[in-house]
Amino acid sequence: QVTLKESGPALVKPTQTLTLTCTFSGFSLTTSGMRVSWIRQPPGKALEWLARIDWDDDKFYSPSLQTRLTVSRDTSKNQVVLTMTNVDPVDTAIYYCARMPWTSGAFDLWGPGTLVTVSS
Amino acid sequence: QSALSQPASVSGSPGQSITISCTGINSDGGRYKSVSWYQQRPGKAPKLLIYDVNYRPSGVSDRFSGSESVNTASLTISGLQTEDEAEYFCSSYSITDTLVIFGGGTTLTVL
Repeated sequence: QVTLKESGPALVKPTQTLTLTCTFSGFSLTTSGMRVSWIRQPPGKALEWLARIDWDDDKFYSPSLQTRLTVSRDTSKNQVVLTMTNVDPVDTAIYYCARMPWTSGAFDLWGPGTLVTVSS
Repeated sequence: QSALSQPASVSGSPGQSITISCTGINSDGGRYKSVSWYQQRPGKAPKLLIYDVNYRPSGVSDRFSGSESVNTASLTISGLQTEDEAEYFCSSYSITDTLVIFGGGTTLTVL
C-alpha cells in the first residue's frame, strides 16, 4: 500500500524557517521516473505547486518561491524534506506532499496534508 | 506562469451531466501541456480523477471523462450523484519547463 504523510510544526513565527517532512511507504524514490512534489493550499483557496525532487535527485522549484525553498531527500528513511525560509503570514496553508510517478505530471497519491499557521 | 481559469461554481441535478472548463492551458505559446483533474472533498486531500487529458486511474468511475480543445480542457461528469459534490481543480504540466499550474477550483453543487 502506497502512503504519504506530512509532518512538521503547526505554528511558526514570521521570519522563521519552516521545515516539513514527507514520510512515504510502498514505493521507492530511487525508481526511475519517480518524483515527489510539495503543494500547498491556503484555507479556502486554490492549490499551489511548490517544489519537486526526482528519482535522480534533480530538484525543481516554483519560480515565485525558489529563493526561499529547498527540497531534499533521505532515501534510507523514505523521506522528502521541504524547508522554507523567512516565512510570512501569507504562507499559512495546508501543505501536501504528493507522488508523481508518470511523465504526465499528475499527482496520483497525496498525503493528508498538514496545516501550518504563520503568526506571531 | 498564469493560473488556469475555472468557473467558480457549477450545479446540476442528480442524473444530469455537467462540464467544468479549464482555460489557459496553452496561453504561453502552445507548448505541449498535460492536463489533470482532481476532486477535493471538504477537509480531504485532492484525489486524481483524470490525467493526460482523458485517462482515468484505476478505481475512478467512468462517469468522469476529460477532453481538450484549443487552450481549454474540460471535465465532464455524467450521471451526477450527490457524492460528486466537491471542489474540482485542473492542472497543467509542461515537461519543457517542469512547472505545474493549478486552476482556481470549481465548486460543484448537486441540487
